[in-house]
Amino acid sequence: EAGVTQSPTHLIKTRGQQATLRCSPISGHTSVYWYQQALGLGLQFLLWYDEGEERNRGNFPPRFSGRQFPNYSSELNVNALELEDSALYLCASSTRDRGLVAGTYNEQFFGPGTRLTVL
Amino acid sequence: GDSVTQMEGPVTLSEEAFLTINCTYTATGYPSLFWYVQYPGEGLQLLLKATKADDKGSNKGFEATYRKETTSFHLEKGSVQVSDSAVYFCALSDWRGSTLGRLYFGRGTQLTVWP
Repeated sequence: EAGVTQSPTHLIKTRGQQATLRCSPISGHTSVYWYQQALGLGLQFLLWYDEGEERNRGNFPPRFSGRQFPNYSSELNVNALELEDSALYLCASSTRDRGLVAGTYNEQFFGPGTRLTVL
Repeated sequence: GDSVTQMEGPVTLSEEAFLTINCTYTATGYPSLFWYVQYPGEGLQLLLKATKADDKGSNKGFEATYRKETTSFHLEKGSVQVSDSAVYFCALSDWRGSTLGRLYFGRGTQLTVWP
């Protein structure tokens, strides 16, 4: 079974440009999560998409946005890039239990990440 | 709000030494707790998990027990190998309200094991 895939592996942009990162979830998974792993800041939750809808968002400015396609793959867009956006961006996917209640979870499976460098 | 604190690294050990990486958490609900491992150049892999108090998660010789009274989930291994060299992250999931969908991670602990 193929795991979560991300593209590109590396991305180099200059300040002010836009970056687009892509993620393909594990087959059968409907939820996609994005995390930022920046040096010195650890892993920060960015976005959660499920069934094409944004379900939750971390403490990031609106220039971080994304979408989920009908095949459940996802894009993360970062507009007006700043130097501090340089980081490893990790995508994860999970199944989605429609009867999910508080105290339960669905395991998140992570991809290898996209390394974004802003010059 | 929810948060995870884990011991600062790096941790350097000789092969077959005993490993402990401390992790404590703050949560207002009833979180599930996880240890993830990140090998060089790779994404995160779930190492073990525990979903309720007193549960013990275990995998590949690693263990961690969910201690609600001390809000801790310390990672242990009795005899580390060179192949265990990686960054270890403690994390929690508290699936309710504004925390839906997100994992809260500690800062990570770099482990290096020498032969």
